[in-house]
Amino acid sequence: AQSVTQLGSHVSVSEGALVLLRCNYSSSVPPYLFWYVQYPNQGLQLLLKYTSAATLVKGINGFEAEFKKSETSFHLTKPSAHMSDAAEYFCAVSDLKAAGNKLTFGGGTRVLVKP
Amino acid sequence: EAGVTQSPTHLIKTRGQQATLRCSPISGHTSVYWYQQALGLGLQFLLWYDEGEERNRGNFPPRFSGRQFPNYSSELNVNALELEDSALYLCASTYSGSSYNEQFFGPGTRLTVL
Repeated sequence: AQSVTQLGSHVSVSEGALVLLRCNYSSSVPPYLFWYVQYPNQGLQLLLKYTSAATLVKGINGFEAEFKKSETSFHLTKPSAHMSDAAEYFCAVSDLKAAGNKLTFGGGTRVLVKP
Repeated sequence: EAGVTQSPTHLIKTRGQQATLRCSPISGHTSVYWYQQALGLGLQFLLWYDEGEERNRGNFPPRFSGRQFPNYSSELNVNALELEDSALYLCASTYSGSSYNEQFFGPGTRLTVL
């Protein structure tokens, strides 16, 4: 069975500082991996996805993530935090066949950006 | 291009009642997924519909049900509402031929059960 673990349910960063959100996954087959962002009272917006084409994936709003198979990780980073980055971030894994097409999500990490 | 839409935005019901939530996928998308986001429980997969058929369901009781219409829109029904059904219900859509199962989410329906 697939699972996703996000280390840290809350992260506080200063504006302009590095944002690092950790995600580890388990999957019996090569996974497709996603990062979504959720702003207050809104749905999920796709930030980026890993589909085995390249291990370093660039997404929207200056975010990027690196797939490391040996570490079963897909950590999300942004070099310089902006106040607008305050939101909740979810890592998700998809296994098209074994898991019935569903996305399995991590518990989420809420990011607070301090001025 | 219009995104996934959901209605209503908010829904307030009392225990024992039935709730109906609606979702319209992105044009051209044939698969619809439902997820529940309850406080403290994270995002849980509920149901997957594709081409009008239920393809998979999560670990939820049978009082959670739904359907997909010929135009690919979908309805989620929750019968005999319980207090713990209070949550944000998110609908997502994707093209069934997608290789990556990239799902696009709507804004959600917040269901409150009193």
